[in-house]
Amino acid sequence: QGHLVQSGAEVKKPGASVRVSCKASGYTFSSYGISWVRQAPGQGLEYMGWISALNGNTNYAQKLQGRVTMTTDTSTSTAYMDLRSLRSDDTAVYYCARESSGYYYGRYDYWGQGTLVTVSS
Amino acid sequence: EIVLTQSPGTLSLSPGERATLSCRASQSVSKNYLAWYQQKPGQAPRLLIYGASNRATGIPDRFSGSGSGTEFSLTISRLEPEDFVVYYCQQYGHSPHTFGQGTKVESK
Repeated sequence: QGHLVQSGAEVKKPGASVRVSCKASGYTFSSYGISWVRQAPGQGLEYMGWISALNGNTNYAQKLQGRVTMTTDTSTSTAYMDLRSLRSDDTAVYYCARESSGYYYGRYDYWGQGTLVTVSS
Repeated sequence: EIVLTQSPGTLSLSPGERATLSCRASQSVSKNYLAWYQQKPGQAPRLLIYGASNRATGIPDRFSGSGSGTEFSLTISRLEPEDFVVYYCQQYGHSPHTFGQGTKVESK
């Protein structure tokens, strides 16, 4: 049974950067992918990107290209999402989710608890 | 990118009734890689259905999915009190993965 635990809430100023971590347990981390999804207050789910813990391949949403970087540390079974040049509309709950194939085309079967990132001056 | 349109936006029903939620894709979803997620307030989404019609582990059999190509649906055969929340469809057959805007099932 997979389990993902994310880092705690963050408050950042516009222009700053944030790193959210996602520690996996209960499965072989390097055999799957990790996707990142965010949800602005009262809004729907937005795909941010994906990284394969199998081979390091990434896929980023076009609107975030150049501002987002996703990495993994297989030694600690942890995924990271870095977002730079934060704006107020980046305020959201950020989720990591296990992508079930490791090759991008898999369902999101386990989710982290979410990390609230607030961007405010 | 594939746009998913969910309807209705809000569904008002009573406990015990049948709910049918729709998800229409702007182009055919490869291999019917279409999933449904349930999201309760303050919680992360939970996978209900994958591959258009396969129930995820531990999901009650009152939840079922159907459809192919561009038209998909989620049916809840008899609504329980805990089912009155928000549901999202998602396609994971094309890059980028995309979500529908959600359907809220509310108690009449």
